[in-house]
Amino acid sequence: DTGVSQNPRHKITKRGQNVTFRCDPISEHNRLYWYRQTLGQGPEFLTYFQNEAQLEKSRLLSDRFSAERPKGSFSTLEIQRTEQGDSAMYLCASSPGRPLKETQYFGPGTRLLVL
Amino acid sequence: KQEVTQIPAALSVPEGENLVLNCSFTDSAIYNLQWFRQDPGKGLTSLLLIQSSQREQTSGRLNASLDKSSGRSTLYIAASQPGDSATYLCAVISGAGSYQLTFGKGTKLSVIP
Repeated sequence: DTGVSQNPRHKITKRGQNVTFRCDPISEHNRLYWYRQTLGQGPEFLTYFQNEAQLEKSRLLSDRFSAERPKGSFSTLEIQRTEQGDSAMYLCASSPGRPLKETQYFGPGTRLLVL
Repeated sequence: KQEVTQIPAALSVPEGENLVLNCSFTDSAIYNLQWFRQDPGKGLTSLLLIQSSQREQTSGRLNASLDKSSGRSTLYIAASQPGDSATYLCAVISGAGSYQLTFGKGTKLSVIP
């Protein structure tokens, strides 16, 4: 068990550019979650997959954001036309899918800075 | 809409002291509650999960309690150590078919040697 991994760990981009982040969940975890965390705040939910199906999306996930989880394995989060307000830590988590015992295991995060 | 509040926002204690962190939530219809630890610039480490039917969970020097009816949880840390210094986050899953965690803003703990 290598835990949840995320790449890249840091990303600096210019406003208007597109960025893509990758998350590899713990193997055999069928649920995968994306959260965003800004300084001094708790993480905020963005979206959630069960296997390859995207079942829930937050209102925070504007049209510029898209997430995929092909074949129910790794997931990608793409931000198009980045804005300075997108600067944050993007966290991925996975869970095994047992109701009521849903411990979510988090990755180290990808820190995005939009200049 | 579920809201989670953590008090205090920051806490500084001398090494060896026992301490309590508080968490409250507005909607008592939760599936479970989790306590996490976050070190600066890092991801979250799960500490304890309490299911809605449980009253408390223990792991080593940590004890978490849940009073669902009053919308409160506490995290008790015994015999604090400098290595306990971190931000502690409380989060709930509110049910109704949703598995998203709603987080508080955290309590930043500093344990002074």
